[in-house]
Amino acid sequence: QVRLVESGGGLVKPGGSLRLSCAASGFSFSDYYMKWIRQAPGKGLEWVSYISTTTGYTNYADSVKGRFTISRDNARSSLYLQMNSLRAEDTAVYYCARGYCAGDCYPDSWGQGTLVTVSS
Amino acid sequence: SYELTQPPSVSVSPGQTARITCSGDALPKKYAYWYQQKSGQAPVLVIYEDSKRPSGIPERFSGSRSGTMATLTISGAQVEDEADYYCYSTDSSGAPNYVFGSGTKVTVL
Repeated sequence: QVRLVESGGGLVKPGGSLRLSCAASGFSFSDYYMKWIRQAPGKGLEWVSYISTTTGYTNYADSVKGRFTISRDNARSSLYLQMNSLRAEDTAVYYCARGYCAGDCYPDSWGQGTLVTVSS
Repeated sequence: SYELTQPPSVSVSPGQTARITCSGDALPKKYAYWYQQKSGQAPVLVIYEDSKRPSGIPERFSGSRSGTMATLTISGAQVEDEADYYCYSTDSSGAPNYVFGSGTKVTVL
C-alpha cells in the first residue's frame, strides 16, 4: 500500500526558510517521479515542483522558481523541498505526491499534507 | 500561462446526474485527469486518461473528452460524493506545464 508522510511544516517569518520532507513506503520509490503540490487556505490546488527518477531532472512553477529546491534520496525513499525567501503567499498545505508517468505524468497517490504558515 | 476553467459550483439531488466541465485550449491533444477532495482531506484520483477509473472508484464516476472540453459525470450521485473536484492536464508546449483547474464544489442535496 502506497504511503506518503509529509513533515517539516510550521510557522516561519517572511524571508525565512523551511525544509519539508516526505517519507515514502509501499512502492519502489526510485522508479517514480515525485511532486510537491500546495493548497492555500480556501483555495485550489497548485503544482509546485517535480523531480524525475534517477536523473534528477527538476521543474518548478514560476511562482517558486529560484526560491524552492526539490530533491530526493532514493536510498532513504525520501523527497524534500527546501523553501527559501518565503512569502506570505506561500502559506499553504503542502502535499507530497507520487507521479505516474507514461507519456503524461500525473499524481496518483497523495500524502495528507503539512501546513506551512508564513507570517510575522 | 495555461489555464483550465471549471464552473465554481454544481448542485445535484441524490440519485441524479452531476456533470462537471473543464475547458482548456490544449485538451484536444492532452488527456484530462480528475481528483476528488473532501473537506479536510487530501485529493484522490477518480479518473485518469480522460475516462479510466482507478481501482476502488465507484462505477458511477465516468469521464469523457471532446475538443477543448473534458467532463466528469457522476451518475446517481450519493451524499458522500459531495466534495471539490479538480481537473488536471498539461499544455502542449515543449516542457510540460502541469496545471489544475480552478475546482468545482459539488453539493448533493
